[in-house]
Amino acid sequence: GAGVSQSPSNKVTEKGKDVELRCDPISGHTALYWYRQSLGQGLEFLIYFQGNSAPDKSGLPSDRFSAERTGGSVSTLTIQRTQQEDSAVYLCASSFRYEQYFGPGTRLTVT
Amino acid sequence: GENVEQHPSTLSVQEGDSAVIKCTYSDSASNYFPWYKQELGKRPQLIIDIRSNVGEKKDQRIAVTLNKTAKHFSLHITETQPEDSAVYFCAASRTGNAGGTSYGKLTFGQGTILTVHP
Repeated sequence: GAGVSQSPSNKVTEKGKDVELRCDPISGHTALYWYRQSLGQGLEFLIYFQGNSAPDKSGLPSDRFSAERTGGSVSTLTIQRTQQEDSAVYLCASSFRYEQYFGPGTRLTVT
Repeated sequence: GENVEQHPSTLSVQEGDSAVIKCTYSDSASNYFPWYKQELGKRPQLIIDIRSNVGEKKDQRIAVTLNKTAKHFSLHITETQPEDSAVYFCAASRTGNAGGTSYGKLTFGQGTILTVHP
């Protein structure tokens, strides 16, 4: 079946602008995660959603970052007033059991 | 919170040799330990995982061992091939269960760049 999809694949934005990144999880997966991978670095947890429970926002680096998940499916990660240090690949993953499956990521470049 | 340390940061082997990557974790409540392979410009792909109720798991040329007492786990790749060249990440999670599903954020190690020379 279809895997996790993300859009856009690449986003270039000017410092100070807002951006929205989208994630479509695997159908039937109740958990959805956002991670960030800076150049040559490991993956850093940002936020996750599980069913109807309140999201775990413990990894969000600042209040400029927010995310929502509508209808238990699609999720949008919003970064307001982007800064150059926000440049990274933003990865989404979904799971039903233990295994998390990743999307292809959105490469964000803030100029 | 959880902290995962991964070693070595780079590993170079000859084709046919074995490769071992080691990780330690800090949270004794962590109970799920996956390994991901990431090729350049691609998404991380799950290659093997282990839960805390077992000590070893094997899938063809790949195996993972877990020592809960020492809080470390390792990835073993035997008979390495050039296509095994990639960045490998370990991760740890304290998973919860609700409504028949399991979930929990992953804390990743910093990655190991594995190069297999033909």
